[in-house]
Amino acid sequence: NAGVTQTPKFRVLKTGQSMTLLCAQDMNHEYMYWYRQDPGMGLRLIHYSVGEGTTAKGEVPDGYNVSRLKKQNFLLGLESAAPSQTSVYFCASTKGNSNQPQHFGDGTRLSIL
Amino acid sequence: DQQVKQNSPSLSVQEGRISILNCDYTNSMFDYFLWYKKYPAEGPTFLISISSIKDKNEDGRFTVFLNKSAKHLSLHIVPSQPGDSAVYFCAASANDMRFGAGTRLTVKP
Repeated sequence: NAGVTQTPKFRVLKTGQSMTLLCAQDMNHEYMYWYRQDPGMGLRLIHYSVGEGTTAKGEVPDGYNVSRLKKQNFLLGLESAAPSQTSVYFCASTKGNSNQPQHFGDGTRLSIL
Repeated sequence: DQQVKQNSPSLSVQEGRISILNCDYTNSMFDYFLWYKKYPAEGPTFLISISSIKDKNEDGRFTVFLNKSAKHLSLHIVPSQPGDSAVYFCAASANDMRFGAGTRLTVKP
């Protein structure tokens, strides 16, 4: 049972480049989330999804897009990367509503030069 | 606007003693509170939670206390072990989940 898997684990981009971070979960969870973690800021919610085909904005959505075409996958896209998007990105999932403990992936460390 | 605050970036405790990690929140709509533990290069893992209708929840060496009037919760670890050394995040939930900045706990042998 892999749980939540994030791909890639590390990536370096140049300003203006685009990329997609992939999150996959094998627990049949309905809810999926993307967070970013920055020093002194904790985890901040970027976007989330309450089921296949749905997405919603979180606390810091600007500069990011997401898609949930399949229940098990939640993709986070950066259309034009900026240095301010240098961060560690975590994906999480839960079976039900936001009150349930979230299962996290091991993170993607992204550097924008 | 950080709605969940962990004001101590770090805490150092001797093995066998009690570790107390603190968390304050500002949003009175939060109705569920959680603690997560994070090791380097790994994602956070759920540790313990408490509903707003309770003031204490215990699970083995871990106890979470909630003081709604003070908008404060704390995590007690007794006895502390070197394997408890990690970053601990406090989180609170209403419609979505908000996290504190974390406290790095070091348990010295």
